[in-house]
Amino acid sequence: SFELTQPPSVSVSPGQTARITCSGDEFPQQFAHWYQQKPGRAPVLVMYKDSLRPSGIPERFSGSSSGTTATLTISGVRAEDEADYYCQSADSSGTSWMFGGGTKLTVL
Amino acid sequence: QVQLVESGGGVVQPGGSLRLSCAASGFTFSSHDLYWVRQAPGKGLEWVTFISYDGAKKYYADFVKGRFTISRDNSRNALYIQMTGVTAADTALYFCATSPPGYRYFEFWGQGALVTVSS
Repeated sequence: SFELTQPPSVSVSPGQTARITCSGDEFPQQFAHWYQQKPGRAPVLVMYKDSLRPSGIPERFSGSSSGTTATLTISGVRAEDEADYYCQSADSSGTSWMFGGGTKLTVL
Repeated sequence: QVQLVESGGGVVQPGGSLRLSCAASGFTFSSHDLYWVRQAPGKGLEWVTFISYDGAKKYYADFVKGRFTISRDNSRNALYIQMTGVTAADTALYFCATSPPGYRYFEFWGQGALVTVSS
């Protein structure tokens, strides 16, 4: 199996840029996908295939991947962006899916 | 719009069994792969199991192999997970989720069904 590693927490002030990283040996062969989860709610897809934004997700959310690290960037962070963020990928055999441990984004 | 609604959660004794259901609507159910993902209280997301659009392929996380069984009924737009031999470690909110055909990310999620394993 493989692992995805995220920082447990990231803190930024409103209007600043938040960067959440996800490291994994399966990158760059496999895509990274990102989910936002607010307390008591189901996860919401905010980025797929490294850098594609689903319909309805604000443009301040962007994604990138380089080497073995994928990054979710939130520009001009707002209080409403405070949430847990999870990266996700799948193994090359197509039989296993994995999440990172999650990063709690705190808006100061 | 896409809706996934889980049901069947509750309290089950260690070693017991439980079946969760997920009712789907708003998309062509028989064209989409489906998943169960769980989240223990205060913990992160864990992929549990996968079933292909036609039910031909099923994959399981190591921690549920031999204990949980995924199935689907395309005539009823329903997904199931049969859980047996449960332990306290299986206590979690269980989400059903779907992916776009041919892709391996979770596009839509249900609200989850809570399973509590306790004597």
